[in-house]
Amino acid sequence: GAGVSQSPSNKVTEKGKDVELRCDPISGHTALYWYRQSLGQGLEFLIYFQGNSAPDKSGLPSDRFSAERTGGSVSTLTIQRTQQEDSAVYLCASSPGTSRLETQYFGPGTRLLVL
Amino acid sequence: AQSVTQLDSQVPVFEEAPVELRCNYSSSVSVYLFWYVQYPNQGLQLLLKYLSGSTLVKGINGFEAEFNKSQTSFHLRKPSVHISDTAEYFCAVSVGEGNTGKLIFGQGTTLQVKP
Repeated sequence: GAGVSQSPSNKVTEKGKDVELRCDPISGHTALYWYRQSLGQGLEFLIYFQGNSAPDKSGLPSDRFSAERTGGSVSTLTIQRTQQEDSAVYLCASSPGTSRLETQYFGPGTRLLVL
Repeated sequence: AQSVTQLDSQVPVFEEAPVELRCNYSSSVSVYLFWYVQYPNQGLQLLLKYLSGSTLVKGINGFEAEFNKSQTSFHLRKPSVHISDTAEYFCAVSVGEGNTGKLIFGQGTTLQVKP
């Protein structure tokens, strides 16, 4: 079946603009995760969804970052007033359940460049 | 706090030679450990995982890893590498309270297989 998809694959924006990144998880997967991959910080957890609720938002770096998930499926990560340090690859992953034992399946990522 | 350390940022090796990528973790609770591979411009793909039971875990593409609780290590090995194994490899530990399964990643090891 189809894997996790993300759009856009690349996004170039100007400092101060808002951006929206989309994630389509594997159908039926309950859990959805957002991670950020940057040169200086490596791979960092941002936020986790269980269904439509987000029990763990501890990785969001500032209040400029927000995310939502609707219908237990698609998720959108929004970055307001983008800064150059937001430049990174944003990865989405989903898993069938919410247990720590579950394998997470990753999308190809959205590469964000803030000029 | 739980953390993961990958001791080598880059590992160059000749084709058909054996390789070991090192990973150490710190955790005060039961651990679930993962190795993921990332090919250029792609998302992460699971190689193998340790949840419980046998400490020697076999994964895809001929990779295996050994969980060593006393040394808090989870090193990845392959007896004979191919050019196609050139990629970045990430060790990760599953953390989180209850059933949240967010991953903490190491900094990654770039495996460069030379002909």
